[in-house]
Amino acid sequence: QSALTQPASVSGSPGQSITISCTGTSNDVGGYNYVSWYQQHPGKAPKVIIYDVTNRPSGVSHRFSGSKSGNTASLTISGLQAEDEADYHCSSYTSGTSWVFGGGTKLTVL
Amino acid sequence: QVQLQQWGAGLLKPSETLSLTCAVYGGSFGNSFWGWIRQPPGKGLEWIGDIWQSGRTYYNPSLKSRATLSVDPSKNQFSLTLASVTAADTAVYYCARGQYRRDAWGQGTLVTVS
Repeated sequence: QSALTQPASVSGSPGQSITISCTGTSNDVGGYNYVSWYQQHPGKAPKVIIYDVTNRPSGVSHRFSGSKSGNTASLTISGLQAEDEADYHCSSYTSGTSWVFGGGTKLTVL
Repeated sequence: QVQLQQWGAGLLKPSETLSLTCAVYGGSFGNSFWGWIRQPPGKGLEWIGDIWQSGRTYYNPSLKSRATLSVDPSKNQFSLTLASVTAADTAVYYCARGQYRRDAWGQGTLVTVS
């Protein structure tokens, strides 16, 4: 069970859009529509912002969206705001009734 | 709105057993998965395991031999024990509700093995 692959860091200016990728295999991301994304500010617990690949929990901004193509899931944040600066983690169900996370991506808002 | 509050020892010696408990307030304990996730300093999240209210458990294969999850529905609590800890187990440990959507988290407990 290997961790999903995310870029270590991404950056963007306020108002821009950025995309964070999450690459797995056909045994996890590619095989199931159970990818979720979590936002984590320093010293805080993670917060779910996307689940089941594309769904947003109530209260999460429409600026956050999720998608998947093959073995890669993506999180897109549009209209970047300073408050979006945080770490982002993806997670997927895997064969064998297990769950796996990515290594996390640090988003810097320039 | 459900809230999770967790507690347990924060400093352990190698070979000791880690023990954490998470209490659920303000929501139904039934019909939910309850789980544990950890985060080594400066690193990503790692899934440890989940438990259904009935007690059925699911573990990360890499930790299965050392981790044990249990649940006490009468107290709205669930627990994690991790045996034979080493420095590699040093991390912030979180309890959480759900699997497909982990929508409530505890405050986190830093456990240091030294």
